[in-house]
Amino acid sequence: DAGVIQSPRHEVTEMGQEVTLRCKPISGHNSLFWYRQTMMRGLELLIYFNNNVPIDDSGMPEDRFSAKMPNASFSTLKIQPSEPRDSAVYFCASSYSGDYGYTFGSGTRLTVV
Amino acid sequence: GQQLNQSPQSMFIQEGEDVSMNCTSSSIFNTWLWYKQDPGEGPVLLIALYKAGELTSNGRLTAQFGITRKDSFLNISASIPSDVGIYFCAGLTNTGNQFYFGTGTSLTVIP
Repeated sequence: DAGVIQSPRHEVTEMGQEVTLRCKPISGHNSLFWYRQTMMRGLELLIYFNNNVPIDDSGMPEDRFSAKMPNASFSTLKIQPSEPRDSAVYFCASSYSGDYGYTFGSGTRLTVV
Repeated sequence: GQQLNQSPQSMFIQEGEDVSMNCTSSSIFNTWLWYKQDPGEGPVLLIALYKAGELTSNGRLTAQFGITRKDSFLNISASIPSDVGIYFCAGLTNTGNQFYFGTGTSLTVIP
């Protein structure tokens, strides 16, 4: 198994631009999580899906952030418009039923200048 | 969300020394997990604990599920340079459907 695959690994963009982060969960996993990691705030859960349905998006910072999971093998996290304070490492994780531990991807390091 | 406090926040130790870290919560958890994050990578699951009092080992790592169910401990014996990284605990309540992550313990091993 290739694990959770995230792309791109690094993204540098200008303030105001749209950014799309992508995630392919492990085949057979039915829960998918998007996290943001910064030095100041640690790991923050942004949103999670169960069977492709968003269950809890209370961690999404504001309306500029949106996430979709059109099918069991793909999810996107979009930021529009991006701001410098969005700079962070964004992780996607997946699990089976959400209670057997999460498998994380390698993350996308986003820098907004 | 749930607050999981890890201590110490950071550790600097000599190679060969043993390491102890812990994670505490004000809530009761049914499952505890310990993850390690290498620089530039995502966290990787080290140990999972499912029962109060449970003691589980993975090589030089040993983790325990606290009797009160509000804490967990991780020990690393005879540390080596590749143990460097950030260690996270995560807990799942009996009514929850997501794991809550701790603040992390950063470990530096000096050769």
